[in-house]
Amino acid sequence: DAGVTQSPTHLIKTRGQQVTLRCSPISGHKSVSWYQQVLGQGPQFIFQYYEKEERGRGNFPDRFSARQFPNYSSELNVNALLLGDSALYLCASSLRAGSNQPQHFGDGTRLSIL
Amino acid sequence: QKEVEQDPGPLSVPEGAIVSLNCTYSNSAFQYFMWYRQYSRKGPELLMYTYSSGNKEDGRFTAQVDKSSKYISLFIRDSQPSDSATYLCAIQIQGAQKLVFGQGTRLTINP
Repeated sequence: DAGVTQSPTHLIKTRGQQVTLRCSPISGHKSVSWYQQVLGQGPQFIFQYYEKEERGRGNFPDRFSARQFPNYSSELNVNALLLGDSALYLCASSLRAGSNQPQHFGDGTRLSIL
Repeated sequence: QKEVEQDPGPLSVPEGAIVSLNCTYSNSAFQYFMWYRQYSRKGPELLMYTYSSGNKEDGRFTAQVDKSSKYISLFIRDSQPSDSATYLCAIQIQGAQKLVFGQGTRLTINP
């Protein structure tokens, strides 16, 4: 079975631009979470979506937004890009929401801001 | 103070050695404990998932949780060069989706 798939794998943008990252969860998984991983650090939680509703939000500015579609895939949008947004953006899926659900990660989208 | 503390290393050991990786945490509300392995340019891969205090074994890997000390460990027996990666501990509060990660420990197993 396919794991979590993310696209694109690598993206280069300039400051002020907007970007959309995409995620397809493992088949049957209904919960999707987004994380940001800066080089040399652990991932930081951005959002969680379950059944198309936002169920959690981390400490990120309003420039970050996301949504989940009826097929449980998800998009992360970042507006007005800053140099500090350069990072690996990871998507994780789980069967359902909640703390007793292991989360499985994709290989991420590496975003570089020039 | 960070919610989860993990020594970033790097840690370098010879092939066949027993490796010990550790994290400490500050919030007693954390109830679920995970270890992920991350190879270069890849996403984190779930290795171990535990809830209760004590040991959980899976092949060459053993996860240990001590809630009274707020201390978790991952032991790797008979380490192999293919185990060379960054190991991330992750902790979760009951009922929450958010994972709180340590900084990650970069491990190299030398042939």
